[in-house]
Amino acid sequence: ETGVTQTPRHLVMGMTNKKSLKCEQHLGHNAMYWYKQSAKKPLELMFVYNFKEQTENNSVPSRFSPECPNSSHLFLHLHTLQPEDSALYLCASSQSFTAGGQETQYFGPGTRLLVL
Amino acid sequence: QKEVEQNSGPLSVPEGAIASLNCTYSDRGSQSFFWYRQYSGKSPELIMSIYSNGDKEDGRFTAQLNKASQYVSLLIRDSQPSDSATYLCAGLGGSASKIIFGSGTRLSIRP
Repeated sequence: ETGVTQTPRHLVMGMTNKKSLKCEQHLGHNAMYWYKQSAKKPLELMFVYNFKEQTENNSVPSRFSPECPNSSHLFLHLHTLQPEDSALYLCASSQSFTAGGQETQYFGPGTRLLVL
Repeated sequence: QKEVEQNSGPLSVPEGAIASLNCTYSDRGSQSFFWYRQYSGKSPELIMSIYSNGDKEDGRFTAQLNKASQYVSLLIRDSQPSDSATYLCAGLGGSASKIIFGSGTRLSIRP
């Protein structure tokens, strides 16, 4: 079973709500990632944290706010989302993040989000 | 825009046959490639990684990389119904400096 856990597994929220997604990895990795997966579209990288520092923000709207308090935990704070933000949000981790590296990413089970 | 392209399928293969999944990439600087399997409603699971030109075998799976032609393939021998899933190809490295996923190929193994 995966060494990356995510909670909640399912979330329904209104456009005015504030909620947070949580990810925890038990693999001793130093890099963590947030991805968005919408139907029939490629996985979209949202954020990358390497040794707790944000190294990538892939032009994500400010209504998504990541937080990485330590190398094992990653949060995604959600505020005033839109219906088109409904998707599967996947967390992943790898040993580290380096350009051109060979680090394998391991995925958590995902949070299926529905915005009404 | 650096891309990884896959045929969306579905690709239907009889049980016991060889399933061949293909992927092309546009970033010539990409150095590492991954195949993930994703069952419906589940998260991606790493199947194979390949970094050098040629073939890499692991059980029933063989990954092939041709950097000159910029393609990666995954062969599944003796296909089983449990292999029915969406297979994601991903490339890492090069100017993108981050992993880029294809949209996936849906594979169906018919009994």
